Amino acid sequence: EVQLVESGGGLVQPGGSLRLSCAASGFTFSSYSMNWVRQAPGKGLEWVSYISSSSSTIYYADSVKGRFTISRDNAKNSLYLQMNSLRAEDTAVYYCARDVVVSPEPYYFDYWGQGTLVTVSS
Amino acid sequence: DIQMTQSPSTLSASVGDRVTITCRASQSISSWLAWYQQKPGKAPKLLIYDASSLESGVPSRFSGSGSGTEFTLTISSLQPDDFATYYCQQYNSYSTFGPGTKVDIK
Repeated sequence: EVQLVESGGGLVQPGGSLRLSCAASGFTFSSYSMNWVRQAPGKGLEWVSYISSSSSTIYYADSVKGRFTISRDNAKNSLYLQMNSLRAEDTAVYYCARDVVVSPEPYYFDYWGQGTLVTVSS
Repeated sequence: DIQMTQSPSTLSASVGDRVTITCRASQSISSWLAWYQQKPGKAPKLLIYDASSLESGVPSRFSGSGSGTEFTLTISSLQPDDFATYYCQQYNSYSTFGPGTKVDIK
């Protein structure tokens, strides 16, 4: 059974940093591209970042470019999102999501984690 | 950047109704469109991909159509489990989600 479990969310002050993790199981993690998608409270979905299976290709949404860094450790079946210079508008539930195919860009997402809440507030 | 819009933003319907949601892209995305269902407090669930392909395990009352800039998600006979929010997503160029359509009980 495919499972994606996010962790690392919490309350952080504006300007602070946080590192999210996503532990994957039930599939060959190293064969799949992965993504982070976020959802502000009561709002819609926003794609945040993409990383290819080998980490050779990475993309970010303009809203987080220069502040967030996506990475993965295929040996540990884990995906990460380092978030720096956090702002109030980064407050959201952050989901990791598996890309359905090995593609050079984000595709559609067939499995999602349960999400982890990040709250940026003083 | 490709922008996505959805209409209506909210739809009130009854069990057994035929429901149609429209998604429009700011430029042509061919058939690179997916639909998701999300219930409160839960992760999105993939329903349709490539505009009209039904994800495995999804009931056949869900269908998708369209290409280019205009797409529709149709639920042929609304069931109690279908009251949720629906999002479209383009993957022609990176990824963008629509703002969502909430289907609630009439």
